[in-house]
Amino acid sequence: AAGVIQSPRHLIKEKRETATLKCYPIPRHDTVYWYQQGPGQDPQFLISFYEKMQSDKGSIPDRFSAQQFSDYHSELNMSSLELGDSALYFCASSSRELAGGGQFFGPGTRLTVL
Amino acid sequence: ILNVEQSPQSLHVQEGDSTNFTCSFPSSNFYALHWYRWETAKSPEALFVMTLNGDEKKKGRISATLNTKEGYSYLYIKGSQPEDSATYLCAFRNYGGSQGNLIFGKGTKLSVKP
Repeated sequence: AAGVIQSPRHLIKEKRETATLKCYPIPRHDTVYWYQQGPGQDPQFLISFYEKMQSDKGSIPDRFSAQQFSDYHSELNMSSLELGDSALYFCASSSRELAGGGQFFGPGTRLTVL
Repeated sequence: ILNVEQSPQSLHVQEGDSTNFTCSFPSSNFYALHWYRWETAKSPEALFVMTLNGDEKKKGRISATLNTKEGYSYLYIKGSQPEDSATYLCAFRNYGGSQGNLIFGKGTKLSVKP
């Protein structure tokens, strides 16, 4: 079965650089979520999109932005990277038609900021 | 501030032991409770989505119960096996939150010794 795809899987950047993470949801899923998991921390919700519109916003820094495109894939753009941005970034997708709105997670992108 | 608590934080059992752990969440405006199994270096795997008070779900040797009135869910593992070793995350969603914004607990890390 198709799963959530994230790219790249690993990314190394230097401070003050920019990074773009991509998420391709499960086919026919209309909602995408981004989570950040720092070392030894529980996941933090960043932002979500439903039908290409931002649907909710969590603890996403102003340096980050995201969007969902017409094919429902989403990109998380991170600028002026800081050391503290080093984390695993998970994308999840869901469909409003699923009971309870269960989310399916991608494999994550590990971002390391040097 | 909505809070999801999981206990214990970690658990060590012998192969063959049965075990259970708890997820506590706000009882007001309940919408859904999700359980995930998260192995190291893998993305979270959805186990259960529970929406109704009194729900009981089962998947092989793993089962879960839900009490929305008192705000808790139990996850049970019968006859633990080494491959059950993982972090078990619960996540809560309320009606006040936008579609899919899950509030995660910190997880219970289960280690099963052969």
